[in-house]
Amino acid sequence: EADIYQTPRYLVIGTGKKITLECSQTMGHDKMYWYQQDPGMELHLIHYSYGVNSTEKGDLSSESTVSRIRTEHFPLTLESARPSHTSQYLCASSEFLGQGDEKLFFGSGTQLSVL
Amino acid sequence: AQKITQTQPGMFVQEKEAVTLDCTYDTSDPSYGLFWYKQPSSGEMIFLIYQGSYDQQNATEGRYSLNFQKARKSANLVISASQLGDSAMYFCAMREEGGANSKLTFGKGITLSVRP
Repeated sequence: EADIYQTPRYLVIGTGKKITLECSQTMGHDKMYWYQQDPGMELHLIHYSYGVNSTEKGDLSSESTVSRIRTEHFPLTLESARPSHTSQYLCASSEFLGQGDEKLFFGSGTQLSVL
Repeated sequence: AQKITQTQPGMFVQEKEAVTLDCTYDTSDPSYGLFWYKQPSSGEMIFLIYQGSYDQQNATEGRYSLNFQKARKSANLVISASQLGDSAMYFCAMREEGGANSKLTFGKGITLSVRP
């Protein structure tokens, strides 16, 4: 069972609010990810991190920001939420397999609704 | 062009029967990895199986096996002896650019429903 946790599980907020989605893992993994997923659709990478003090933008443009001050913690922040941010946000960390591959462990996700 | 293609509509299978979920991919990298993840209605993504592009044998993990046909660029997931708990969305994913820059690209997913 994966030791990666996301809070809150569900969040309903009004437009313009600042929010932070929390993600923590206890596996000591260096690489972490944030994905965005609309209902019944594929996952889109929005941010990732190679380790402490490393943050990179993913394939999907996002108005969110991330930080990585500690290995185990990778929070995602929206400075001013809008209805277009309504989506599920999935955090993941990875361990390396052979051939340079990685196995991702996902949290349970945060379902965000912006009114 | 899509990197990962999952075109099947919702799939249905009778409990205890086998089912194949299709996945084709597109890459010019000689080294890549293929993954299948399961997403139940609760929302979390669960790793099922992995196949490296240089692996000679098809990967197997319990009731899951990956039918890897490199020349056809397909990586179909086979679930044997389906159980009611297998009802979920299934995502095929591919890793390109190995090492530190590697990222996963996901397909659109397939919904599987297991009938009692």
